This record gives sequence, C-alpha cells and structure tokens, in this order.
Amino acid sequence: GESVGLHLPTLSVQEGDNSIINCAYSNSASDYFIWYKQESGKGPQFIIDIRSNMDKRQGQRVTVLLNKTVKHLSLQIAATQPGDSAVYFCAERISGGYQKVTFGTGTKLQVIP
Amino acid sequence: DAMVIQNPRYQVTQFGKPVTLSCSQTLNHNVMYWYQQKSSQAPKLLFHYYDKDFNNEADTPDNFQSRRPNTSFCFLDIRSPGLGDAAMYLCATSRKPGLAGSTDTQYFGPGTRLTVL
Repeated sequence: GESVGLHLPTLSVQEGDNSIINCAYSNSASDYFIWYKQESGKGPQFIIDIRSNMDKRQGQRVTVLLNKTVKHLSLQIAATQPGDSAVYFCAERISGGYQKVTFGTGTKLQVIP
Repeated sequence: DAMVIQNPRYQVTQFGKPVTLSCSQTLNHNVMYWYQQKSSQAPKLLFHYYDKDFNNEADTPDNFQSRRPNTSFCFLDIRSPGLGDAAMYLCATSRKPGLAGSTDTQYFGPGTRLTVL
C-alpha cells in the first residue's frame, strides 16, 4: 500500500553541526509535504512545507529538499541546537484538495551538547 | 497565545467508562481533526470535520465518536474505553482550501494523554 516512511529512527548530532533527516514516500500522487517537530509531551509543531512543483524551500535554519524522481524528502537543520532535540515527522497529502495528510514514522533527533 | 486548546491535558478513566475529550480553537478554522498517537508512533487520523460535515476514517472503531457543536469546539467521545485506547489524542485545525490566505498547514493542540485503568 501507499506509505510514508523514514530511513533512520534515531539521529544523534553534535551541537553546532548540521542535521539531515530523510523521508521516503511512495505515493506519486502526493502534491504537498510537511515537516513537523514534536517535543516530548507536546503536539506536533509545523516547521516547513513544500509543494510538489518545488524542489527546495528554505526557512529559518531549516531547508526542505524534494526529489520527486526518487520520491525522497529531506529536512536540513543548520547549526543544530539542543532545543532542536525532538521527533521529526514528515507528512504527505495526496492531490485532490482533500485536507487529509498521512504521517511518516518519525525520526528522533538527539543533539549532543 | 494558545490557538488550539485541549482539555484536559491528562485524563484517567476506567475500563469501559465513557470519556469525553475537548478541543477548542481561536483560529476560526473550518476544518478540525482528531488524531490518536500511541507511544513512539506517528499520529493516526480518526476523523475530521469540514465545517459541519463529519468525515470518518474507514478504520476508526465505532467506539470513537465526535461532535462539533460550533466552529470553535470539537469533542471526542470514547464510549467504552479499552486498555488499547490509552494514547495521546491530538486535535488539529486547518483553513478551508481555496480561501484567501489559506494553506494546507494543520495546527495542533498540545494533546490529551488518556490513561485507561
């Protein structure tokens, strides 16, 4: 069936280094992708999104890259800080105007001080 | 300022005892969602309201019901909680697509952690 999945369940990075979190999706009809950050005991927090007509989008310290050829999405965090420690989820929406998104399995980012 | 509010943050109930979780929003968003999230898993959509229209996911058990009396409030009713229903329940909202300034972003509340004894 269609799915969204992440390559690595846990990622440990040194404070100040850049982090790259990867996500693979299998539904070629997906047209919108979102990255969420979820801290322990809290709801998911929107980080950045990208539509399928783009291949890169930048925010504050974060960049999302979309490679539709291989159905791959990545989140890059520059100069990772301890406050970035959380679980990161990618989510996809299938085109058609319907608001439903499907979440991937999540990657836990641990920042080492 | 809180935009999506969930009460209570922690709820303990007994096996089989009905429980209601509440969600309110100050965003005036058209769409409200309920997700179930178990430990170390991704949020799983239970159902959503598109204005007053209720949309149930095919695999959502009948034990889960929802009410949306007005734009601001949405309730999740669990009629007979089982041990397997212990989870974090997340409420989210989004604007109606096509409206000026609308995006597809869903805004989440802090969640209610449900414990079933």
